[in-house]
Amino acid sequence: SQQGEEDPQALSIQEGENATMNCSYKTSINNLQWYRQNSGRGLVHLILIRSNEREKHSGRLRVTLDTSKKSSSLLITASRAADTASYFCATDKGSNYKLTFGKGTLLTVNP
Amino acid sequence: DGGITQSPKYLFRKEGQNVTLSCEQNLNHDAMYWYRQDPGQGLRLIYYSQIVNDFQKGDIAEGYSVSREKKESFPLTVTSAQKNPTAFYLCASSRGRVDTEAFFGQGTRLTVV
Repeated sequence: SQQGEEDPQALSIQEGENATMNCSYKTSINNLQWYRQNSGRGLVHLILIRSNEREKHSGRLRVTLDTSKKSSSLLITASRAADTASYFCATDKGSNYKLTFGKGTLLTVNP
Repeated sequence: DGGITQSPKYLFRKEGQNVTLSCEQNLNHDAMYWYRQDPGQGLRLIYYSQIVNDFQKGDIAEGYSVSREKKESFPLTVTSAQKNPTAFYLCASSRGRVDTEAFFGQGTRLTVV
């Protein structure tokens, strides 16, 4: 069963614009994580936000978490062509530390 | 270099054959995971292991088997019972504690011919 659902499924923007992706989940979580996947490669961890945190920044990334709405957003500012990838949210719930992933958002940044 | 290594990168299997995908990590992580990814889809958990000599089924374990005899290694066998094995397989590891990230290998693309 997939806990997280990303929205939109695909997003196409121009270089320099901001990209916002959303993630909704169903049950209580310990934390929510965002990962990036270049085509045909493994996933790379971007940022983790704990359930008691509301916002977190890392470089050009800004993540928010609203536990009352069971949703999170990932904002990439001043996007670059190299940001083109699929972005996944993953939730960690319970005590067995397994991550449950959504279906991802395919971001295309046009030069 | 510390990391997680999957091999082979590409694997072709004839129908009815079992194949084993390798996953090795030198990060000293306790937990290891196998995920399956189909085109345009997210990751679905096959099996995971939080400690040596112990593992649990994930959401789609049918037709797969694993072992965890060593901390560093978590091989996945795709058996002939798996009816639709063509997919991209990803192995990951983590410290297996709350609020820790997962590290992924580069994946194995399995094709049934």
